[in-house]
Amino acid sequence: DADVTQTPRNRITKTGKRIMLECSQTKGHDRMYWYRQDPGLGLRLIYYSFDVKDINKGEISDGYSVSRQAQAKFSLSLESAIPNQTALYFCATSDLGTSGSLVHEQFFGPGTRLTVL
Amino acid sequence: ELKVEQNPLFLSMQEGKNYTIYCNYSTTSDRLYWYRQDPGKSLESLFVLLSNGAVKQEGRLMASLDTKARLSTLHITAAVHDLSATYFCASLQVNYKLTFGKGTLLTVNP
Repeated sequence: DADVTQTPRNRITKTGKRIMLECSQTKGHDRMYWYRQDPGLGLRLIYYSFDVKDINKGEISDGYSVSRQAQAKFSLSLESAIPNQTALYFCATSDLGTSGSLVHEQFFGPGTRLTVL
Repeated sequence: ELKVEQNPLFLSMQEGKNYTIYCNYSTTSDRLYWYRQDPGKSLESLFVLLSNGAVKQEGRLMASLDTKARLSTLHITAAVHDLSATYFCASLQVNYKLTFGKGTLLTVNP
């Protein structure tokens, strides 16, 4: 089945460390997204990319960077992790509807639980 | 800036009862999405509503969209325990970004 995968699934790290979260997809979608989820706050967009040469900041990009290595791969980096970056991180993908209906439905990976001590 | 508000944020209901979750959004949008999230799990797409007046049903859940009122509803009919989860609505804004509500934690009690 076409899928969205994330690695690692869980990570505990210390303040100041550099961390990379990776996302891969076999859906053939052009668009990829990184979100973080905090209890009671829903999902907030960190970065998004519409193709390999297109990277855009979301609403909470400070402290994060991304790399779109290929159509199927989108990585999120925390250059110097801090405790308030402790959260559940989701990668998502989307494409135009197959019938041209512009559905823009997003499909989510399983998530990475990151803890910064 | 688009804001999405869900009500209620917490819902405890008995099996067999009906209830509605409301999703209001602040700026014009004609695409509304509902997702379900089980504890510690990813988001599962439930409904995609693409136009004013759209209504979709799956089992005991029915979603509707009123773009003029900027309101979507998720109606639960004869709730069962398996429906216990957190439900999110999300509205599509410019540049194809989704803005999510804070989620409604639904608990269905025997």
